[in-house]
Amino acid sequence: AQSVTQLDSQVPVFEEAPVELRCNYSSSVSVYLFWYVQYPNQGLQLLLKYLSGSTLVESINGFEAEFNKSQTSFHLRKPSVHISDTAEYFCAVSGLGTYKYIFGTGTRLKVLA
Amino acid sequence: DVKVTQSSRYLVKRTGEKVFLECVQDMDHENMFWYRQDPGLGLRLIYFSYDVKMKEKGDIPEGYSVSREKKERFSLILESASTNQTSMYLCASRGGGAGTGELFFGEGSRLTVL
Repeated sequence: AQSVTQLDSQVPVFEEAPVELRCNYSSSVSVYLFWYVQYPNQGLQLLLKYLSGSTLVESINGFEAEFNKSQTSFHLRKPSVHISDTAEYFCAVSGLGTYKYIFGTGTRLKVLA
Repeated sequence: DVKVTQSSRYLVKRTGEKVFLECVQDMDHENMFWYRQDPGLGLRLIYFSYDVKMKEKGDIPEGYSVSREKKERFSLILESASTNQTSMYLCASRGGGAGTGELFFGEGSRLTVL
């Protein structure tokens, strides 16, 4: 069985400060890992994903995440956040040959001026 | 531009009513999903469909049913709405190989059952 744990339900951070949103997973099979973002009153949209290859993956708006197999983690980081990054972030895991995605409970990032 | 459209953004229904939530995608995706989103619980899978007329139960199917008569349309049905079904419902679709493809989400349908 697969599971995802997002350790922080809310993360307040000042604008231009760095941020890390934590995600740990468990799985008995090879995993694919995703971060989705949900802006207020919208659906979720893909931020970045790890399928294979380089363990460091990046998004177009400055976020990055590193797949760490030994620590079963896929933490999301950004070196300098903007007000517009205020949103809820969901980590998700799926596996080879499965139709199901397992989502974490989400982390609300609030960027303060 | 890819699009998943949910027919109603906000609905208010009474206990015992039958509720239909409609979802249409224009990407010719085989796979479609219905999730329920509640604060502190994240997204929970209700049902998914991997092809027309094919469906499988997710993690919380009780009290729900689905219909997929055409590839582009996936409907969620609450046969007799109850107050504990008050929630945000998200539809998603996916192309590509199982497990690796990106999910595309609609904007959600917020259902309140009185």
